[in-house]
Order: sequence, then C-alpha cells, then structure tokens
Amino acid sequence: DAGVTQSPTHLIKTRGQQVTLRCSPKSGHDTVSWYQQALGQGPQFIFQYYEEEERQRGNFPDRFSGHQFPNYSSELNVNALLLGDSALYLCASSSWTENTEAFFGQGTRLTVV
Amino acid sequence: KQEVTQIPAALSVPEGENLVLNCSFTDSAIYNLQWFRQDPGKGLTSLLLIQSSQREQTSGRLNASLDKSSGRSTLYIAASQPGDSATYLCAVDNQGGKLIFGQGTELSVKP
Repeated sequence: DAGVTQSPTHLIKTRGQQVTLRCSPKSGHDTVSWYQQALGQGPQFIFQYYEEEERQRGNFPDRFSGHQFPNYSSELNVNALLLGDSALYLCASSSWTENTEAFFGQGTRLTVV
Repeated sequence: KQEVTQIPAALSVPEGENLVLNCSFTDSAIYNLQWFRQDPGKGLTSLLLIQSSQREQTSGRLNASLDKSSGRSTLYIAASQPGDSATYLCAVDNQGGKLIFGQGTELSVKP
C-alpha cells in the first residue's frame, strides 16, 4: 500500500501564474481533503471532495479550485498566484462512511516568486 | 467556530524524560480528535485517533486522552528519545472530515 501520494514534491512559480497539484488517496479511501500550511503554522482546511463533488470548503478565495476523478484521485488548482500562496500543500485521504483516521501525503512545497 | 490551541509552543527535554503535550478546543461537539507528528518540511504522520466516545488511546510509548466536557486532550510520551524530536499537532473533526488544527508543539529531545 503506497499510502497517500502527492506530486510534485516541490514547485516554483511566478506571481500571476496558475498551478495544479495532484493527489492519490490511500487504497480503500474515497474522500480527499486539501490543506495549506504556512511556515510555522498548523494546516488550514481548503476543501474536501467526495463522489467527485466539493463537499466542504474553508475560508479560501475562488482562485482555489479542485477536482476529483472517478478513481478518487484529486487535483488542486490555484489561479493568479500571489506571493502569499507560498506554502506546503497537504492532501489527506479518509473514508466518507467510517469515522476513522485521516492519512496525509508528504506535501507539495509551492514557492511563488 | 472551533478553535484549537496547543501549549506549549516549544518544549526541550533531556532524553528519557516523560512529557505531556496539551491541546484544548472550544467546541465539544466533535467526531474525533487526532494527534499527528510532523518532521521539518515533511507531511503529517498519524499517531493516535480518539473517537468522541473514547477517553484514551495508547500506541507504544504514546498515550492520548480526551475530555470532551472540558475541551482538552493530552499526549503523553514516555521515556522520550532524540528520535521523538518533531512538531506535534492535534486536530479536531467536528464537521465530517474537516480537521481544525492547533499551531503545534515543537519538541526537542536532547541526548
């Protein structure tokens, strides 16, 4: 079991550009959530996907959007990048129907210059 | 609005010491509480999950307790080792999978 995998591991983008981050959930999980973690802070919830629909959303602007595919993998898209979007982006997978632990990937470090 | 606070923000102890990390939350209507470990620049590793109906969970040298009525959880680490050095995060789920995290406690265990 490969666990939760994220790609790429590191990314450098220029202000104003767009970026796509990818996540494959742990085998047996059907729900994917995305978090943003600024340096020295706890992760902040961006949104959650289940059955290819956004189910919950945190306090993030519409520049942040996502998608879930039939195989449960997910993408996070950020448009019009700002310097403040520089952070570690974490993907978590879980089961929609079972109240069990969430598993996280290793994250994607995004740097906006 | 759920708020999670972790105290202390940083902790340095000598190897072999037993220690307690604290987590408090403002809304007691939670599904579960989860403790994570994070090494610098890395993702989160799940340590323990406590369901809302449980009072504690144990895994090896780790023991986590939950007191919903007072909005508190503690993570007890026995016989600390230098390899335990990391940031420890607690997170509560009171909205079906949306985790609210504390700021973390940065632990340093000195040989």
